Amino acid sequence: GENVEQHPSTLSVQEGDSAVIKCTYSDSASNYFPWYKQELGKRPQLIIDIRSNVGEKKDQRIAVTLNKTAKHFSLHITETQPEDSAVYFCAASYNFNKFYFGSGTKLNVKP
Amino acid sequence: SAVISQKPSRDICQRGTSLTIQCQVDSQVTMMFWYRQQPGQSLTLIATANQGSEATYESGFVIDKFPISRPNLTFSTLTVSNLSPEDSSIYLCSVNIGADEQYFGPGTRLTVT
Repeated sequence: GENVEQHPSTLSVQEGDSAVIKCTYSDSASNYFPWYKQELGKRPQLIIDIRSNVGEKKDQRIAVTLNKTAKHFSLHITETQPEDSAVYFCAASYNFNKFYFGSGTKLNVKP
Repeated sequence: SAVISQKPSRDICQRGTSLTIQCQVDSQVTMMFWYRQQPGQSLTLIATANQGSEATYESGFVIDKFPISRPNLTFSTLTVSNLSPEDSSIYLCSVNIGADEQYFGPGTRLTVT
């Protein structure tokens, strides 16, 4: 099955700085790559996603890049705010079937 | 979008007993998924539940321990059997709507004493 690795496990940044989280996947058939934000005690919420026919996608302060050849994708958050503090998970899926998650990154944005 | 509810939201169970978790969706979906999230960990897929067929289990998960029912297109149950403290986790169901994003239920927090 698919194996998704995520780095770093924890990330601490100053408010206003950028944060980058990276994931790699093993199955070249995977074609959908979502990113989830999970706040303490809550369910994961989709924040951005990218499909394999696209190299980059941006939504306000959040962007995701995908390198299919290298099988890695990254989440970029610019102008971080304290409310961005949460655990972020990447995932990989083939045709929205099973989703395999990375190990998570705990982001701490210091005011 | 989809509205997903789970029951119970949390429970404390004794070792050796079982807990059945219900997942209800407000629209018909072909596939429903069950995940486990152990404390401070990521989400691990337990099984995929299709209506009208047996659930498909991921490596490391077996039907005897995690029996699943899928009686219709809006409902599924996951039973965690013969509970041990290692089963203490959050269990989440999820669905895909129209090949769009995956929606998660609110989760069931299970504590085994």
